[in-house]
Amino acid sequence: GEDVEQSLFLSVREGDSSVINCTYTDSSSTYLYWYKQEPGAGLQLLTYIFSNMDMKQDQRLTVLLNKKDKHLSLRIADTQTGDSAIYFCAESSNTGKLIFGQGTTLQVKP
Amino acid sequence: ETGVTQTPRHLVMGMTNKKSLKCEQHLGHNAMYWYKQSAKKPLELMFVYSLEERVENNSVPSRFSPECPNSSHLFLHLHTLQPEDSALYLCASSQDRGVGGYTFGSGTRLTVV
Repeated sequence: GEDVEQSLFLSVREGDSSVINCTYTDSSSTYLYWYKQEPGAGLQLLTYIFSNMDMKQDQRLTVLLNKKDKHLSLRIADTQTGDSAIYFCAESSNTGKLIFGQGTTLQVKP
Repeated sequence: ETGVTQTPRHLVMGMTNKKSLKCEQHLGHNAMYWYKQSAKKPLELMFVYSLEERVENNSVPSRFSPECPNSSHLFLHLHTLQPEDSALYLCASSQDRGVGGYTFGSGTRLTVV
């Protein structure tokens, strides 16, 4: 069935790059998404990539998609303490429904 | 302002109480969702409404009862809940069942005592 997997925790130092990884199973996914959840808040759409793209860059964020390996990554350059949050990867199923990963908690140390 | 507003932000209720969670979206979307987020567990999709019709109900206990009176409003009616129902309840909306992603509200933090 459809499944999205992420590592649960990542710790980096302020100013370093962060790379959050995700694997998914549905090869027919049209879009893949990254959401950010800050403490006590809902999920905020950060960026998304269409399945026929390999890379998308948006300021400090770079999304890489390896469709052959069904692997998605989010790179945050020059990570700041305000980037500390839970990051969710999601794929769109063939019905349009989003399937979420379990979330990666990013801890940024000063 | 995210465009999806949930009220109340926090709710404490006893196991015998009846309460309702409200969600309102101002984005013109035609699909709305309820998710449950418990500590150290993945997001659980509870209900999906598309064009005001319930299209998905993921084995949710009957003590949770959704209502979608129009495309802008979604309610979750709660009665005789259990302490394990304590969680963050998130509402989301989308256009055409998810194309372009979902927009989430800030959630209602529910504590059942």
